[in-house]
Formats: sequence, structure tokens, C-alpha cells
Amino acid sequence: SQKIEQNSEALNIQEGKTATLTCNYTNYSPAYLQWYRQDPGRGPVFLLLIRENEKEKRKERLKVTFDTTLKQSLFHITASQPADSATYLCALVMDMGRRALTFGSGTRLQVQP
Amino acid sequence: NAGVTQTPKFRILKIGQSMTLQCTQDMNHNYMYWYRQDPGMGLKLIYYSVGAGITDKGEVPNGYNVSRSTTEDFPLRLELAAPSQTSVYFCASSPLRGETETQYFGPGTRLLVL
Repeated sequence: SQKIEQNSEALNIQEGKTATLTCNYTNYSPAYLQWYRQDPGRGPVFLLLIRENEKEKRKERLKVTFDTTLKQSLFHITASQPADSATYLCALVMDMGRRALTFGSGTRLQVQP
Repeated sequence: NAGVTQTPKFRILKIGQSMTLQCTQDMNHNYMYWYRQDPGMGLKLIYYSVGAGITDKGEVPNGYNVSRSTTEDFPLRLELAAPSQTSVYFCASSPLRGETETQYFGPGTRLLVL
């Protein structure tokens, strides 16, 4: 069955450093992959989408890479700030008809000032 | 635009009770979804709808029912609450055209079944 794996351990980094989060998946070839941010007690918020024919996507301080051979996506936040502290979720669409997302369990990022 | 709104924010139910979780979106989105999120886990799809009058099961539909009589509303019904349904429930929507892949989530309903 399809599995999406994100590092369950929290990632602690110093302000100003680059945070790198990993998403690995198995047994599937998604047309695209998404990253969402979730703050405590709130719903996920869409950040970035990358398609299978794109190697890299950027948006301000965010960068996502997508390696369909390794079945892996990396999510980078450069010049991290304490306000970036949140849980980051990776999500794939398994069924293009229903467009419903399958989520990883998320990685909590803590940026220390 | 309020986006996706959910009520109530928090509810405690006794085993066997029933309730309806409300979800409304004002973005005229065709697609709507219900997910549940257990502590430390990813979101799992309960039901979804591709438009008014059309609903279908997701990954974990047992114990739940939905209806979609209008584009705006997508209520989730729990008929006989069980402790296994203790979770946070998120409603989401996405458009038919344009940024069709982006899902917009509500703030969630936290449900505790005792």
C-alpha cells in the first residue's frame, strides 16, 4: 500500500539557518506533490505544489525539490525565522478523479531565536 | 470571503450520541472534503463531494454520513459516537477550475467521545 513518510522527530534549528524537511513515498507515481503548513489548533495552509516534470520550485524563502526516481521531496526554508515554527505536511494526490489528498504525518519545525 | 468555516469548534459527546459537524464555504468551490486527524498522524479522508448531490466514501467512512444539498454546505453526521471517533475533523474545499489542486481548509472541529 501507499506510504508517505516524514521524519516524526521535531527539527530544531537556529534562526537564520536553512531548514530542510524530507518527504518519502512508496508504491506510487504522483502527478504532483504539495506541502502544507499547520499551526497548533489550526487547519493546514497550502504552501507549494511541484509537478512530476519539475525538479525544483521556489516561492520567496521556500524551495521544494521533487526526485521521482528516489521518490522523495525536500522542502527548504532559507533564512529561517521563529515565525516559521510549525508542523509541515507533505501531501500527494492518489486519485486524480477525486483529488483527495493523502498526507504524511508531518514534521514539526522549531526555530530558535 | 470567510473561506471555509466549521462549527462547532469543540464538542464532547457521550458514547452512542449523535451530532452533525457543519462545514460551509463561500468560494463557490465544487469539491469538498472531510478529513480526520488523530494526534501525531496525517489527515485521513472520510468522505468527499465533487458537487451538489454527489458524495462518495474516502479512506475511513465507517461511522459517518454526509450530504451535499448545496454547493456551500457539506455537513458530516456521526450517528452513534464511539471513542474511536475522538479526533480533530477538518473540512476542505477546492475549485473546479484554476488552482484546482489547492485545498482550502477550515479551522477544524475537535471532538471528544467519552
